[in-house]
Amino acid sequence: QVHLVQSGAEVKKPGASVKVSCEASGYDFRSYGISWVRQAPGQGLEWMGWITTYNDNTNYPQKFQGRLTMTTDTSTNTAYMELRSLRPDDTAVYYCARRGFLGEGYWLDPWGLGTLVTVSS
Amino acid sequence: QSVLTQPPSVSAAAGQKVTISCSGSNSNIGKNYVSWYQQLPGTAPKLLLYDNYKRPSGIPDRFSGSKSGTSATLDITGLQTGDEANYYCGTWDSSLSPSWVFGGGTKLTVL
Repeated sequence: QVHLVQSGAEVKKPGASVKVSCEASGYDFRSYGISWVRQAPGQGLEWMGWITTYNDNTNYPQKFQGRLTMTTDTSTNTAYMELRSLRPDDTAVYYCARRGFLGEGYWLDPWGLGTLVTVSS
Repeated sequence: QSVLTQPPSVSAAAGQKVTISCSGSNSNIGKNYVSWYQQLPGTAPKLLLYDNYKRPSGIPDRFSGSKSGTSATLDITGLQTGDEANYYCGTWDSSLSPSWVFGGGTKLTVL
């Protein structure tokens, strides 16, 4: 059974950084990428980027470049997402998801349960 | 403003069929495969369909998908109250700044 287990909720002050972890099990970690997606309260899904686990190549949308870093630790099958210079509008549930690919399109499956990050002074 | 356009809400009676549309452009749906996600209240999203119409194991055949040109469609037949959820389409956008994009989501209400 494929599982992604995320770290617990965080409360941060504006300007601080947060690092969320996502531990994978049940599959070959290096064979699939990991994507991060966030969801602000009452809003839709927002893609934050992904990391290819076998070579650590990353792809971030322009919006997050400069303040987002995704990394992996293949010794523990864990992916990390660090967001810096936090603002109140970064308050959201942050999800990791395995990136699937069988030669045609990409998809995200499964998803972790999410990590609530609250940014407030 | 999402790159992919979905209706904010749809509704239909239990047992009936509903269609959720996802409209994009040549740089995303027009040249890439679409996946669909179901998010039940208070839970993480779950993959429903990938590669436009393929169902992961465990997804009932009441859920089906298609793609034509720059639009994709999710059909749900035999609606059940447990299908009440938000549904999102997603695909790769191959524009000058390539990225994964989601639709804004559609809230399904089963009457």
